[in-house]
Amino acid sequence: AQTVTQSQPEMSVQEAETVTLSCTYDTSESDYYLFWYKQPPSRQMILVIRQEAYKQQNATENRFSVNFQKAAKSFSLKISDSQLGDAAMYFCALNNNDMRFGAGTRLTVKP
Amino acid sequence: DAGVTQSPTHLIKTRGQHVTLRCSPISGHKSVSWYQQVLGQGPQFIFQYYEKEERGRGNFPDRFSARQFPNYSSELNVNALLLGDSALYLCASSKQGWEQYFGPGTRLTVT
Repeated sequence: AQTVTQSQPEMSVQEAETVTLSCTYDTSESDYYLFWYKQPPSRQMILVIRQEAYKQQNATENRFSVNFQKAAKSFSLKISDSQLGDAAMYFCALNNNDMRFGAGTRLTVKP
Repeated sequence: DAGVTQSPTHLIKTRGQHVTLRCSPISGHKSVSWYQQVLGQGPQFIFQYYEKEERGRGNFPDRFSARQFPNYSSELNVNALLLGDSALYLCASSKQGWEQYFGPGTRLTVT
């Protein structure tokens, strides 16, 4: 069975600082994709960053980067230079034929 | 390009009734997935369709069904509605199923 665990229900960061959101997962497959999605209060789910499991290099998208540790089944998201608009629920997701989501981390950005 | 669209935006139904939710994917995307998101939780996978064929099914009762049309749009049907079916229903489209893009969702309230 595939599972995704986000152990931080809530996180807070000061504007312009860096924050890391944690995610661990479990799967018996060797080929899969990992994603971080952002869901602002307006509710539309937005893709933040993706990582193919066969790639060793960590993905980066502007201020967003991941630390992918395949052996440890860990996939954390780092947000640098946090902005007020980053405040949202963040979901980690594992896709191997069907997408499984974690319970989410609510990120608050303090001005 | 237009994103994933869903209709209706909001819906109120009574227990025992039937509901149909609709989704139009991003142009060029042949896969559509449906998710149920209960307040405060991550989305739960219901169905995935690719090229009009069911590709995956989550752990939902047979009251839930779906189909995909030749133009790749999709419908999710729920029969004999229960209070517990109240949730945000999300549709996501993708080219082949891996990287998914979400619509704004349909908020279903069952009274």
